[in-house]
Amino acid sequence: KAGVTQTPRYLIKTRGQQVTLSCSPISGHRSVSWYQQTPGQGLQFLFEYFSETQRNKGNFPGRFSGRQFSNSRSEMNVSTLELGDSALYLCASTRDGNNEKLFFGSGTQLSVL
Amino acid sequence: SQQGEEDPQALSIQEGENATMNCSYKTSINNLQWYRQNSGRGLVHLILIRSNEREKHSGRLRVTLDTSKKSSSLLITASRAADTASYFCATDETGTASKLTFGTGTRLQVTL
Repeated sequence: KAGVTQTPRYLIKTRGQQVTLSCSPISGHRSVSWYQQTPGQGLQFLFEYFSETQRNKGNFPGRFSGRQFSNSRSEMNVSTLELGDSALYLCASTRDGNNEKLFFGSGTQLSVL
Repeated sequence: SQQGEEDPQALSIQEGENATMNCSYKTSINNLQWYRQNSGRGLVHLILIRSNEREKHSGRLRVTLDTSKKSSSLLITASRAADTASYFCATDETGTASKLTFGTGTRLQVTL
């Protein structure tokens, strides 16, 4: 069974640009959540999608958005990039997101110059 | 925001020794989980302990949970060099396991 796949693995952007990250969950998993990891703030929850609907949201500005497709694949978008958006973005999936362990992808390392 | 504070921040031991990491959290939880992260990679789930459980074992791992003190500990017995990684506790406050609050992490170094 294939694991959670995130693309791209590395990304370099400049301030003001926008970026789209992709996540393919484990087959059969309908919940996809996104986390940001930085040295200063650690791991922080961005949002969760379940059956194409955003079910939970963390405390991030509106520049961070996401969506989920009917095949459960998810994308997150960051608009008007800032230097502080440089981080490892991790995607995780579960069957339905209730009292279960998370399966994480390897992440996308975003550098904003 | 981070709920969990872990200590120590870093731990260096020799192969064969035991490693203990502690996690404290602030609010009521449904369960607490421990994850491991190798340098710059994704997290791997190690063990989940529910709020009504006090201790759980999985191979060389032993986790305890004290909800009255809002704390948990992870013990890795007979450590191996391959255990070198960062370890994070994560709390599920809402029953929505996908929305976890992670601790600050403990970086474990196991030397030969």
